Amino acid sequence: SQTIHQWPATLVQPVGSPLSLECTVEGTSNPNLYWYRQAAGRGLQLLFYSIGIDQISSEVPQNLSASRPQDRQFILSSKKLLLSDSGFYLCAWSARASYNSPLHFGNGTRLTVT
Amino acid sequence: GEDVEQSLFLSVREGDSSVINCTYTDSSSTYLYWYKQEPGAGLQLLTYIFSNMDMKQDQRLTVLLNKKDKHLSLRIADTQTGDSAIYFCAEVSGNTDKLIFGTGTRLQVFP
Repeated sequence: SQTIHQWPATLVQPVGSPLSLECTVEGTSNPNLYWYRQAAGRGLQLLFYSIGIDQISSEVPQNLSASRPQDRQFILSSKKLLLSDSGFYLCAWSARASYNSPLHFGNGTRLTVT
Repeated sequence: GEDVEQSLFLSVREGDSSVINCTYTDSSSTYLYWYKQEPGAGLQLLTYIFSNMDMKQDQRLTVLLNKKDKHLSLRIADTQTGDSAIYFCAEVSGNTDKLIFGTGTRLQVFP
């Protein structure tokens, strides 16, 4: 069966420090991969999605970047964190065969920028 | 543009039925989903419905789709305290193939 791992679960970082969040998927090949952010008490905002290695689309201009060094690995990064980067970050995957296949989410990373 | 709206809160007594509503604007939606998010966790897929269906039942969950009014609902029968969570509806845009989430409804179940 397919599983998605996301780490760390929680992170407290000072303003101006770098960020690296990792996500890996097991049990499937060629998945679509996604990074979402959920601000406190609000819905989900799609940040990045990827349909393949080095094929990453950014949905909103921001202080963050994403990379996909391997087929089942998706990394969210920042060179210098801002206070506004605080939030709950969720990685997700879906089967590439169909754009209509549902998303499966990781357990999320709670990021607090101080 | 595409928009998905939900009421923010719902409070029900344990044992009663809960009905969580969702409206969307994209008439070309193909699939519609319901996700559940427990505190501090990711989203869990609960159920989904194709746009050519009116209703889908899965144990305690019933999904109703009114495509004419672009209205989706999730009914939870015999609501339990373990059902307390945030529920998100989401639609797959027929134009972009992207998944558009609602803002989520926080369901609180009290004894």
